[in-house]
Amino acid sequence: TQLLEQSPQFLSIQEGENLTVYCNSSSVFSSLQWYRQEPGEGPVLLVTVVTGGEVKKLKRLTFQFGDARKDSSLHITAAQPGDTGLYLCAGSATGTYKYIFGTGTRLKVLA
Amino acid sequence: GAVVSQHPSRVICKSGTSVKIECRSLDFQATTMFWYRQFPKKSLMLMATSNEGSKATYEQGVEKDKFLINHASLTLSTLTVTSAHPEDSSFYICSAREMLLGAAGELFFGEGSRLTVL
Repeated sequence: TQLLEQSPQFLSIQEGENLTVYCNSSSVFSSLQWYRQEPGEGPVLLVTVVTGGEVKKLKRLTFQFGDARKDSSLHITAAQPGDTGLYLCAGSATGTYKYIFGTGTRLKVLA
Repeated sequence: GAVVSQHPSRVICKSGTSVKIECRSLDFQATTMFWYRQFPKKSLMLMATSNEGSKATYEQGVEKDKFLINHASLTLSTLTVTSAHPEDSSFYICSAREMLLGAAGELFFGEGSRLTVL
């Protein structure tokens, strides 16, 4: 069974600080996605990475896929209160079409 | 982006009754839909993969007789929680992938359905 561990589980920071969320597994993924979820709503896709070592930027968010495609990171620069939410990574193993979600990181950015 | 709609968004039922939740892809066709369960402040747990025109594939530990999934068309999948008990109370979320995009395609999520069993 695939297992995607995210760290940290919880993070409370001040506005303007930087942070990094990690997503680790022993499995190799053909693709990995990051989502953000607000309470009571479905997750919303932030990015998809498919190539080992790939780096993608989305405004203040930087996503990296590990060279071995077993791990990923999400870095947020100058966090804002609007970044508050549950961040989820989700991986799809080679040969499958389903995504398994990570354990989640709950971020709170204080004004 | 594509839209996936779930109904109902909230449902309260008595213990022992069955509840049906619908998941519709409104502007695209989805041969595969996924059903997730989410406990408060926890991540999403994949319950089953719903395949149009065939039986659903359930994840280990998920009771197929308890959670009946039907994928009758390319735009509709239903999850029926049979003989619901309080421990079935949860947030159920469906997702769908546009059929042409394959495994790297974006998953579009429904708004979720909060089930409370009294």
